[in-house]
Amino acid sequence: GQQVMQIPQYQHVQEGEDFTTYCNSSTTLSNIQWYKQRPGGHPVFLIQLVKSGEVKKQKRLTFQFGEAKKNSSLHITATQTTDVGTYFCAGPKGSSGGSNYKLTFGKGTLLTVNP
Amino acid sequence: EPEVTQTPSHQVTQMGQEVILRCVPISNHLYFYWYRQILGQKVEFLVSFYNNEISEKSEIFDDQFSVERPDGSNFTLKIRSTKLEDSAMYFCASIRQGVGEQYFGPGTRLTVT
Repeated sequence: GQQVMQIPQYQHVQEGEDFTTYCNSSTTLSNIQWYKQRPGGHPVFLIQLVKSGEVKKQKRLTFQFGEAKKNSSLHITATQTTDVGTYFCAGPKGSSGGSNYKLTFGKGTLLTVNP
Repeated sequence: EPEVTQTPSHQVTQMGQEVILRCVPISNHLYFYWYRQILGQKVEFLVSFYNNEISEKSEIFDDQFSVERPDGSNFTLKIRSTKLEDSAMYFCASIRQGVGEQYFGPGTRLTVT
């Protein structure tokens, strides 16, 4: 079945440093989503990428979708303590999508930020 | 802003007991999901529900699990005879169409002793 892998599993940075997490799917994705989960919280949607090679920015966050639509990355510039949490990528089942979008989550990258 | 709600926030039960976890999805959403997350691990898909029936379920969702949408607003997950390994955070999610952002509820922490 479809697998979504994420690295690194943990990342500890000093406030102000940059952070990147990488996501790879075993199958081509129709789209990829990123979620953030604060400690003790629930997944909160950040963004969806659909097009091959797409790059989207949200303030200090930059999201990329690979040309082959099998990998993605999230880069945070100048981390702040509010960025602490686990960042998950998630892909829908299959490459053609369909009407039922169950999400396959990666294991996530836990980001901790030292003030 | 509309949100998905879940009750209870924490449920403690003894092994072998039945539990029902409740969710109220966002009112105009059409697709509903249950996910679970064992402590410190990734979020795992359990089941999806559309048009009053299960559209897909994972291998985790065995005969001990069932879902229902009894009254057009609540969406429930029942575990008939809980096991220790069912201890996890259970998240309900909903979406208006089949594609795009899934809105997650705050979760129910299930502890089986």
